[in-house]
Amino acid sequence: DIQMTQSPSSLSASVGDRVTITCRASQGISNYLAWFQQKPGKAPKSLIYGASSLQSGVPSKFSGSGSGTDFTLTISSLQPEDFATYYCQQYNSYPRTFGGGTKVEIK
Amino acid sequence: QLQLQESGPGLVKPSETLSLTCTVSGGSISSSSYYWGWIRQPPGKGLEWIGSIYYSGSTYYNPSLKSRVTISVDTSKNQFSLKLSSVTAADTAVYYCAREVVTFDYWGQGTLVTVSS
Repeated sequence: DIQMTQSPSSLSASVGDRVTITCRASQGISNYLAWFQQKPGKAPKSLIYGASSLQSGVPSKFSGSGSGTDFTLTISSLQPEDFATYYCQQYNSYPRTFGGGTKVEIK
Repeated sequence: QLQLQESGPGLVKPSETLSLTCTVSGGSISSSSYYWGWIRQPPGKGLEWIGSIYYSGSTYYNPSLKSRVTISVDTSKNQFSLKLSSVTAADTAVYYCAREVVTFDYWGQGTLVTVSS
């Protein structure tokens, strides 16, 4: 199985901050990497696929980059609605695997 | 707009079988482009992929659960289902169904299943 490791597991940030979350795969996955946002009590929402392609309707303040084993999700200017938990997920192979999550909290 | 809705018992006894159904509306489950998946999330924890199925019945399962999981599809009802046998308290989780195209782009709202006597 491909292990996905996210860092940090949590972070505190202020409105307007630029935030970067890292995801590392235990082996190369090309660009078969997705990012999700999850708010309490809600289903995850797909933000990015193909490491850097935004899902329809997702604002451009979200961006993704990386290839191979190292990936990042960046939120350019954090807004109140962005406080949530973010997960990466690889779809290079089965079983599909998720990172442990990064909780973005208000400072 | 595609919608997915999970249904099934919210309480299952230890050693019994958990059974859930996902009803798809606003689109056909028989589309050749998609797989349909189950993902779960224990309270306060992360996401775990359980398995995925194609409309033809082809399946992929998480090896950690494979011996206990069966996913099936009923194209006539536009539904797919999950059965997880011999459940324990560790199977207590919110269970989500989702469409898998490239990644999981549409999700159901999730249903909490508690394993307890």
